[in-house]
Amino acid sequence: EAAVTQSPRNKVTVTGGNVTLSCRQTNSHNYMYWYRQDTGHGLRLIHYSYGAGNLQIGDVPDGYKATRTTQEDFFLLLELASPSQTSLYFCASSDRGMGAETLYFGSGTRLTVL
Amino acid sequence: GDSVTQTEGQVALSEEDFLTIHCNYSASGYPALFWYVQYPGEGPQFLFRASRDKEKGSSRGFEATYDKGTTSFHLRKASVQESDSAVYYCALGPYTNAYKVIFGKGTHLHVLP
Repeated sequence: EAAVTQSPRNKVTVTGGNVTLSCRQTNSHNYMYWYRQDTGHGLRLIHYSYGAGNLQIGDVPDGYKATRTTQEDFFLLLELASPSQTSLYFCASSDRGMGAETLYFGSGTRLTVL
Repeated sequence: GDSVTQTEGQVALSEEDFLTIHCNYSASGYPALFWYVQYPGEGPQFLFRASRDKEKGSSRGFEATYDKGTTSFHLRKASVQESDSAVYYCALGPYTNAYKVIFGKGTHLHVLP
């Protein structure tokens, strides 16, 4: 079973604060994704990557940076956090190839920006 | 751009009722289509997929058929149980040169005992 671990589980920061959300997957998957989940919007893609050093822009990238340091690790950075970024963040990973595009999600990080 | 539309935001049923959650998509290519389920306090988890026209995906009594003509992938279950209460997401992708996966807004299913 694919394993995706996110940390921290909960985070509270203030407006203008600097936040890093971490994600590690231990299944040698090529693709990793960051989503935010909000009531009325569902899951929206922030950034994704198909390998170490690679970064692709998603659908709601404003105010977020991301970095893929290794095949296992993908970080989401909020350098000047705003209340509009209060949300539940999910990381996911997947492999590539026929029938292998299933996403495996972590348990989420709940971020509150005061 | 590519998109997924789930018609129902919330569905309330009684046990043993028939379930339909509507999903329509818009995509320039020929994407794979997915259903995911999310239980409270957890991340979404894969339910099943289909990757070609008329293919049926199924799992745990849920099923959906890929229909390229109507661009639909409606989720159905003949008899729901209280344990099926969750949020259900329809999703598309990835496909050639489009690696991202796009989700609908989700449908919250409440099954009353």
